Amino acid sequence: GAGVSQSPSNKVTEKGKDVELRCDPISGHTALYWYRQSLGQGLEFLIYFQGNSAPDKSGLPSDRFSAERTGGSVSTLTIQRTQQEDSAVYLCASSPGGVSYNEQFFGPGTRLTVL
Amino acid sequence: QKEVEQDPGPLSVPEGAIVSLNCTYSNSAFQYFMWYRQYSRKGPELLMYTYSSGNKEDGRFTAQVDKSSKYISLFIRDSQPSDSATYLCAMSYNSGGYQKVTFGTGTKLQVIP
Repeated sequence: GAGVSQSPSNKVTEKGKDVELRCDPISGHTALYWYRQSLGQGLEFLIYFQGNSAPDKSGLPSDRFSAERTGGSVSTLTIQRTQQEDSAVYLCASSPGGVSYNEQFFGPGTRLTVL
Repeated sequence: QKEVEQDPGPLSVPEGAIVSLNCTYSNSAFQYFMWYRQYSRKGPELLMYTYSSGNKEDGRFTAQVDKSSKYISLFIRDSQPSDSATYLCAMSYNSGGYQKVTFGTGTKLQVIP
């Protein structure tokens, strides 16, 4: 079956512009996660969705970052007034969810460059 | 201090060598311990996970967890050029009803033919 898909694969934008990044999780996965990966920083947790609600938004770095999930499926991460330090690869992952560990399946990421 | 520490490398070994990758951590609440492999310009993929202390083997890969020392390792036997990738350790604990995962920075491995 299809894995996690993300679009666009690459995005170049100018400082101050808004960007939207999209994630299509594996069908039936109730849990969805956004991470940011910068050079030498590893994967930084941003937000977790269970269904359409986001019980953990603790990783969002500022109020310029927001995310939503509709229909328990597609999620959009929005960055307003982008800054150069927002340049990174944004990764989405999905899993079946639950209190025990479930493998997170990652998409290929969106490489964001802010000029 | 980061919750999870991992040497970024790069680590370069000849084909056939045994590779040892390690992480240390500070949060004693971690329950699950994972190793992910990430090829260039791809998302991470899970290699192995373990629960609590002990060893787990899968083919050429062995994962070890020592909770008393807060230290985990991944061993790769008979390394192959196709093993060249970045290896990320990850750990999780139950946070408000879900497993919250913290990743290491990753170790870049190159296996020379």
